[in-house]
Amino acid sequence: NAGVTQTPKFQVLKTGQSMTLQCAQDMNHEYMSWYRQDPGMGLRLIHYSVGAGITDQGEVPNGYNVSRSTTEDFPLRLLSAAPSQTSVYFCASSSGTGKTEAFFGQGTRLTVV
Amino acid sequence: KQEVTQIPAALSVPEGENLVLNCSFTDSAIYNLQWFRQDPGKGLTSLLLIQSSQREQTSGRLNASLDKSSGRSTLYIAASQPGDSATYLCAVRADRGSTLGRLYFGRGTQLTVWP
Repeated sequence: NAGVTQTPKFQVLKTGQSMTLQCAQDMNHEYMSWYRQDPGMGLRLIHYSVGAGITDQGEVPNGYNVSRSTTEDFPLRLLSAAPSQTSVYFCASSSGTGKTEAFFGQGTRLTVV
Repeated sequence: KQEVTQIPAALSVPEGENLVLNCSFTDSAIYNLQWFRQDPGKGLTSLLLIQSSQREQTSGRLNASLDKSSGRSTLYIAASQPGDSATYLCAVRADRGSTLGRLYFGRGTQLTVWP
C-alpha cells in the first residue's frame, strides 16, 4: 500500500544548485501534479500531467521543470535554486476516469540558503 | 479562473460540539469536490469525495454536502473531539478538457477542538 511516495523528505540547497524531487505512485493513475505550500498562500499548482508524455503548467511554473516518461513517475526539477523556492512541496495523483479521487504524498520540505 | 474560498479561516470549539465548515467556489462547472485533512507537518489525507451529480457523502462523524448550482459545499463534523484538530481543505476539480487534471484549493480552515 505505498500510494504516492516522495523523496527526499527534507533537503537543504545552496542558491544556484539544482536538484530533482522524486514522486512515484503505484496506483496506475493517469493524473499527477506538483504543488507548493507556503504560509498564508495555500497550495499552489506548479505543473501537472494528464498522462505519460503530457505535461502542462500550473500557476507558478517558473524555475521548475517536469517530464513524464512513465505513468508511475513525475519528477520535479529545480533548475537553479533560489531562496524564494523555500517551501513544502507535495505531489498528488489521481485516476483519469471515474471518481478521480486525489492522493497526496507526505511532502518534501526544501530550504534554499 | 476558478476561485475557492473557505470560511472561517480558523475555528476553536470545545469538545463535543457539532460544527460546520464552509467552502464556496466561483465556477459551477466542476467534476467533483474533495475534502482533505492536514495535520501539522504532514501531507493531505482525503476525507470525502463528492461527485458533481451527488448531493452528499458521509463517513463516520463526517458529512459533506454539495450544492453545485450555488457553488457551495459544507463539511459537518458531529460530536467533535480533540483528535479532529487539524486544517481542513476543500478542492474542486474542473470538468473541462485538459483542466480535468487540475485541483483548485481553498486556503483551509484551521480547527482546534479543546477538551
